[in-house]
Amino acid sequence: NAGVMQNPRHLVRRRGQEARLRCSPMKGHSHVYWYRQLPEEGLKFMVYLQKENIIDESGMPKERFSAEFPKEGPSILRIQQVVRGDSAAYFCASSPPAGGNGYTFGSGTRLTVV
Amino acid sequence: AQSVAQPEDQVNVAEGNPLTVKCTYSVSGNPYLFWYVQYPNRGLQFLLKYITGDNLVKGSYGFEAEFNKSQTSFHLKKPSALVSDSALYFCASPRQSGANNLFFGTGTRLTVIP
Repeated sequence: NAGVMQNPRHLVRRRGQEARLRCSPMKGHSHVYWYRQLPEEGLKFMVYLQKENIIDESGMPKERFSAEFPKEGPSILRIQQVVRGDSAAYFCASSPPAGGNGYTFGSGTRLTVV
Repeated sequence: AQSVAQPEDQVNVAEGNPLTVKCTYSVSGNPYLFWYVQYPNRGLQFLLKYITGDNLVKGSYGFEAEFNKSQTSFHLKKPSALVSDSALYFCASPRQSGANNLFFGTGTRLTVIP
């Protein structure tokens, strides 16, 4: 009965490279959320997806960042041409369709840009 | 838009003493409110939620939270703190009424002193 699975746990990229972060939701959960946490800061909402649909991307930077949740496979958060300021912990959460039940979080991917 | 606020960045309490971590909310309609805990280098874990009903909500690890409509507060409490309770605590509410995606407070770091 696996929870939310994120991989990799740690990712190191050089400036200018691409980072791809993967998230597999809990079984039965069709909603996925991505959050970013900078050191000693709170969680900042990035994007909310359902299968094949972006529901709310109001927290996504306008450039270089994109997210998808295809019909098959995990959700992907993609950061192109990474910069040092992208270094953070990226957390994925999932929930069932009914609202008001809160989330289950993954353990996060810690991205370090060198 | 709806939001929560955590007025204290840091709370220190002696082991065995009662603890309170504060949260206030700005929510229209009936509020859905959540508490999560984050241990070092881990994802967030659900503690408890308030949707409706009793104002005192009991959750995991001996924590409880008191919903106070007149003070628009949802403070997290525990009668006797443990050193292992030292962690980062987040209050959350849906970003819009009826929405699935959550707005998180800035977090309160709880340190329990042996």
